[in-house]
Amino acid sequence: DTGVSQDPRHKITKRGQNVTFRCDPISEHNRLYWYRQTLGQGPEFLTYFQNEAQLEKSRLLSDRFSAERPKGSFSTLEIQRTEQGDSAMYLCASSLDYLYNEQFFGPGTRLTVL
Amino acid sequence: SQELEQSPQSLIVQEGKNLTINCTSSKTLYGLYWYKQKYGEGLIFLMMLQKGGEEKSHEKITAKLDEKKQQSSLHITASQPSHAGIYLCGADKDSGGGADGLTFGKGTHLIIQP
Repeated sequence: DTGVSQDPRHKITKRGQNVTFRCDPISEHNRLYWYRQTLGQGPEFLTYFQNEAQLEKSRLLSDRFSAERPKGSFSTLEIQRTEQGDSAMYLCASSLDYLYNEQFFGPGTRLTVL
Repeated sequence: SQELEQSPQSLIVQEGKNLTINCTSSKTLYGLYWYKQKYGEGLIFLMMLQKGGEEKSHEKITAKLDEKKQQSSLHITASQPSHAGIYLCGADKDSGGGADGLTFGKGTHLIIQP
């Protein structure tokens, strides 16, 4: 399968715990995006990378959130000291490069914070 | 910031009937993207429109972009159960060009009745 993959698909955690999600983009894609989606809403942009450089972070991305793409391939999104309001679907997408905003999404990681 | 409004919010259509979903932007559209999402899953890319008056078709789905009205429509002909899901429109987040993330509407929930 050469699509975008995310791991884990589901995560249940207790409030205050740290969680980390992984995203593997389509192999030749230079851009990688993270979005958050809550019930009944469209995805909301969080951040994106061009290769290993993080080029933009949304105001939605509080200082408890950190994202990395160390070698320009896979990316991780970490949430520290999770809160119930962090419960959402976290979606990863990738696109070929800066000219193409045609983004391909992974299956998402559903986070439930108890 | 750009906002996308989709109408209707939900739609129940008898199998075999045609239907149209609309997406209206609060700002000039530089790129408009249509996605489909099954409940609890990732987004599936359908089509991208970039030029005013552009129209694209894939199987029984046709999308059009009206640049002057800052609006796009998605039309499904002879609907089938496989068309059921949430249809989301997305637009380039910034007008500066380049693939720097998307803003999404809240989605249209489509139910196909046999």
